[in-house]
Parts: sequence; structure tokens; C-alpha cells
Amino acid sequence: AQKITQTQPGMFVQEKEAVTLDCTYDTSDPSYGLFWYKQPSSGEMIFLIYQGSYDQQNATEGRYSLNFQKARKSANLVISASQLGDSAMYFCAMRDLSGGGADGLTFGKGTHLIIQP
Amino acid sequence: EADIYQTPRYLVIGTGKKITLECSQTMGHDKMYWYQQDPGMELHLIHYSYGVNSTEKGDLSSESTVSRIRTEHFPLTLESARPSHTSQYLCASMAVGGLYGYTFGSGTRLTVV
Repeated sequence: AQKITQTQPGMFVQEKEAVTLDCTYDTSDPSYGLFWYKQPSSGEMIFLIYQGSYDQQNATEGRYSLNFQKARKSANLVISASQLGDSAMYFCAMRDLSGGGADGLTFGKGTHLIIQP
Repeated sequence: EADIYQTPRYLVIGTGKKITLECSQTMGHDKMYWYQQDPGMELHLIHYSYGVNSTEKGDLSSESTVSRIRTEHFPLTLESARPSHTSQYLCASMAVGGLYGYTFGSGTRLTVV
């Protein structure tokens, strides 16, 4: 079974500072994908970044980067130069790419990020 | 611009009523999913489908049912709503062979009184 752990229920960060959101995972699957989603108060899920377990380099997408440490089973999200609009819930998720199971995403409990001016 | 649509956006309904939450996508995706999210909590997979006439139960047991008669349409039904069904329901889709291209709808916030 897969499990995602996000240990920061909430974070307050000053605008323009960098933010690191923690995520650790547990899986016995050799091939998997790791995701980060942003969920504003309106409720929709916004895809931010993806990292495959066999990708050699850490993923980056604009201000978002994923600090992937496979041996530690961690996939932390780094947001550089935070903005007020970054305030939202952030979910780490994973998917088994080995072909077994339900093929959906397993989510962590999320981190509520609040950017302060 | 969303290519997956969920209706209604909000629904308040009385106990015992039958409800259907609609989910439609225009991308021709074969894979579709329903997730349930209680307020302030994580999402849990409750149903998924790999194509027409294919439906499977997800990781979280749910009293709801789904159908997939057309590729673009994946409705979720509760035969008799209860307050414990109060939650947000999110629909998603992905093309076969896709690795990370999940597209989510905006969700339906259901309140059963």
C-alpha cells in the first residue's frame, strides 16, 4: 500500500520568501510518480509539478521545484519568491506506475500555506 | 480553461433524497475518477473507470454508485443521501498511457441536512 505523509498542517510565510513544503512517501512499488497540487479555497485542484521515480534530475516548473531524495523517500516542494496568491492548501500525491492497483492518486493530508504581506 | 465539467457546483439536499452528481469531459479521455474530500482533509479515490462499461471501486468504500455509458460522461449517484455523505466530490480524467496528465473538475460541494 502507498502512503503519503505531510507533517506541516499549516505554515505562515512572509511574501517574497522561499517556502519548502515537506512530503515523505512509502511504497513497495519500483516505479511511481510523485505530484504536487494546489487547492485554493474555491476547491479546484491545480497541478503544479511531477517527478517520476526514475527521473535523474529534480523537476522544476517556473517558481516550483521538487527536491526529490529517493533514498530518504522524500519529495519536498520548494516555492521560490512566494506571492500572496500562493496562499492555498498544497497536497502531495503519488501514483503507482507498475500497472497494479487502482491507478488513481494517493494523497497526503495537505499543508495550509498562508503568505503574509 | 477547464475541459472537465462538474454540476452542480453546490448542492444542499435533505436526508433520503436520491442525487446524481454530473461529470463530463471533452478531451476523449478513457480514464475517469471520482474522489471524495471531507472539509480540510485529503482526497480519497472512491470510483474509477477505464472506459465505457468499465467501473471499479477505489480505495475508500463508498455507498455511491457510478456508470460509464459514454466516454465523456461519468455520473455518480447516491440512492438515499445521508448527513455522512456531506463532502466535496471531485471528478478527474486522464488519457490512456498518460503519466501525470490528470485533469480535475471544479468539484461538487454536497451538504445533506
